[in-house]
Amino acid sequence: NAGVTQTPKFRILKIGQSMTLQCTQDMNHNYMYWYRQDPGMGLKLIYYSVGAGITDKGEVPNGYNVSRSTTEDFPLRLELAAPSQTSVYFCASSVGTTNEKLFFGSGTQLSVL
Amino acid sequence: GEDVEQSLFLSVREGDSSVINCTYTDSSSTYLYWYKQEPGAGLQLLTYIFSNMDMKQDQRLTVLLNKKDKHLSLRIADTQTGDSAIYFCAESINNQGGKLIFGQGTELSVKP
Repeated sequence: NAGVTQTPKFRILKIGQSMTLQCTQDMNHNYMYWYRQDPGMGLKLIYYSVGAGITDKGEVPNGYNVSRSTTEDFPLRLELAAPSQTSVYFCASSVGTTNEKLFFGSGTQLSVL
Repeated sequence: GEDVEQSLFLSVREGDSSVINCTYTDSSSTYLYWYKQEPGAGLQLLTYIFSNMDMKQDQRLTVLLNKKDKHLSLRIADTQTGDSAIYFCAESINNQGGKLIFGQGTELSVKP
C-alpha cells in the first residue's frame, strides 16, 4: 500500500500565484485532513473532509480552498499565494472513528517569495 | 481556546531514559496522542492513552496522564540514537476524531 501520497514535495511560488497541492490515499479512508506546520510550531488544521462531497473548515482556513469529489483525493488550492502561506503542508487520512490514528503523507514544502 | 504546550528541546545520552512533557487545556478530550516525526517525513502515531487511564505501557514507551493537572508525559526507556526525532503531543478538538490540536513538538537529540 502506498498510504497517503502528496505531490509535489517542494514548490516555490511568487506572491499572487496560485497552485494546487495534491493528496491521494489508497486506504479507502472516509476522513481526510490538511494541516500546515510552521517552523517551531505544532500542526494547524486547515480543512477536513468526512467523506466525498463534504468539506469543512479547520482552525486556519483563510486563503485556502478544498474539494472532495472522490474518496481517494483531497486537493488543497491556494488562489493568491502570500508569504504567510510559506509552510510545510501535510495531508492525512483516517478511518473515521473516535479513536483516530491519522496516517500522514510526507509533506509539501512551500515557499512564497 | 484549546492549547497544547511542550518544551522545545531535550538532549539525552544513549541508554538513558527520556521524558517528554506536555500540558493541554481541553479536559473533554477522550484520547491524547503522541506522534513522532523523523526528518523529512510525515508524523507517525507512536501511542495514545484513553482519558480514564493513568498510565499506559508499550514496550519501551510509558505514557502517564494526570487529568487533574492536565499533564501528559512520554517516557522512552533505554533511548537509542534512532529515537532522535520530534515528538508531538496532541488532543482532539472538541473530542472530534482526527481534528487534533498539536503541541509545538519536542526535538529529542540522543548522543552516543
